[in-house]
Amino acid sequence: SQTIHQWPATLVQPVGSPLSLECTVEGTSNPNLYWYRQAAGRGLQLLFYSVGIGQISSEVPQNLSASRPQDRQFILSSKKLLLSDSGFYLCAWSEAVGYGYTFGSGTRLTVV
Amino acid sequence: GESVGLHLPTLSVQEGDNSIINCAYSNSASDYFIWYKQESGKGPQFIIDIRSNMDKRQGQRVTVLLNKTVKHLSLQIAATQPGDSAVYFCAEILGANNLFFGTGTRLTVIP
Repeated sequence: SQTIHQWPATLVQPVGSPLSLECTVEGTSNPNLYWYRQAAGRGLQLLFYSVGIGQISSEVPQNLSASRPQDRQFILSSKKLLLSDSGFYLCAWSEAVGYGYTFGSGTRLTVV
Repeated sequence: GESVGLHLPTLSVQEGDNSIINCAYSNSASDYFIWYKQESGKGPQFIIDIRSNMDKRQGQRVTVLLNKTVKHLSLQIAATQPGDSAVYFCAEILGANNLFFGTGTRLTVIP
């Protein structure tokens, strides 16, 4: 069966520090991968998606970047965090368009 | 962008009663919808999905109804239990690789 792992679960970082959140999927090949952000009391906002190694699409201009160095690995990064980067970050995968999305357990990021 | 919204931000029900959570979507071309349940501090969990060629789909204690005429989606939970307390999101699959969520409805089950 397929599983998705996301870490860390919580993170407190100072303003201006770098960020690296990692997500890996097991049990499938060539998944579509996604990074979402959820602000408190709000819905999910798509940040990045990837349909293959090295292929990254960005949905919104921001202080973050994403990379997919391996087929089942998706990384969310920042060189210098801003206060506004605080939020709940979720990684997700799907087999293809039109199939259900499966989410990771999320990372609670607090920038102080 | 497209909007997917929920009519009620909160819903409280007595344990054992049925719950109905509603959702409106704006794009009549959307052909796939998903309901997610999200507990505090956790990622969304898939509950049930429905495609636009269906009006109704049933799962274990849950039923999703789709009314394409008025672009309305609902989630019915039978015999609501305390473990059903969570935020429920409807999501609309639109185009390639995009999933639009509403802000969610918080369901509170009263013992």
